[in-house]
Amino acid sequence: GAVVSQHPSRVICKSGTSVKIECRSLDFQATTMFWYRQFPKQSLMLMATSNEGSKATYEQGVEKDKFLINHASLTLSTLTVTSAHPEDSSFYICSAVLAGPTFFGPGTRLTVL
Amino acid sequence: DAKTTQPTSMDCAEGRAANLPCNHSTISGNEYVYWYRQIHSQGPQYIIHGLKNNETNEMASLIITEDRKSSTLILPHATLRDTAVYYCKYYGGSQGNLIFGKGTKLSVKP
Repeated sequence: GAVVSQHPSRVICKSGTSVKIECRSLDFQATTMFWYRQFPKQSLMLMATSNEGSKATYEQGVEKDKFLINHASLTLSTLTVTSAHPEDSSFYICSAVLAGPTFFGPGTRLTVL
Repeated sequence: DAKTTQPTSMDCAEGRAANLPCNHSTISGNEYVYWYRQIHSQGPQYIIHGLKNNETNEMASLIITEDRKSSTLILPHATLRDTAVYYCKYYGGSQGNLIFGKGTKLSVKP
């Protein structure tokens, strides 16, 4: 199947700093990518839809000024958590669609101290 | 979000077949049935999908009833590494903004 990668896999940062997470489709082009967040023992929650060449579309309740999304190319989307706080600690996952099935990245574990 | 019904949890003995059911009675004619799973602390993984014919790949088999209102994912020889939460979804086209419910927590036991 298609491969989606994320970097970094794990990050620990101090409160108030910004963290950038990269999502890449390695063997296919993705006009659209998606970002999810998952808290312990809960299901994935869709945060936003990342569109190449245009602004991201955010789900209700997700702060667009806090979670900056940039879809710079057909294979790369980035999520920047700005001024991170402990409540932003979570598992962040991206995905991309290839002709029907959705392929997910391995996730990024963010811990904000 | 398209509604599916799955059991909350299931147990399976290692080496035996795991049969995971899903009801999707409101599926429409052009919507495919998709199965994904999430192993603890990993991103979800696509398993298999189908429209109306039964499908098989290296991971699993998918049996869809003739009326398409339900399906069963079959892991023919479950291993401990198959312990995960399994999600059944249905949609048409290339929908990527998937909403995940609780799925079925499959525990494969030695």
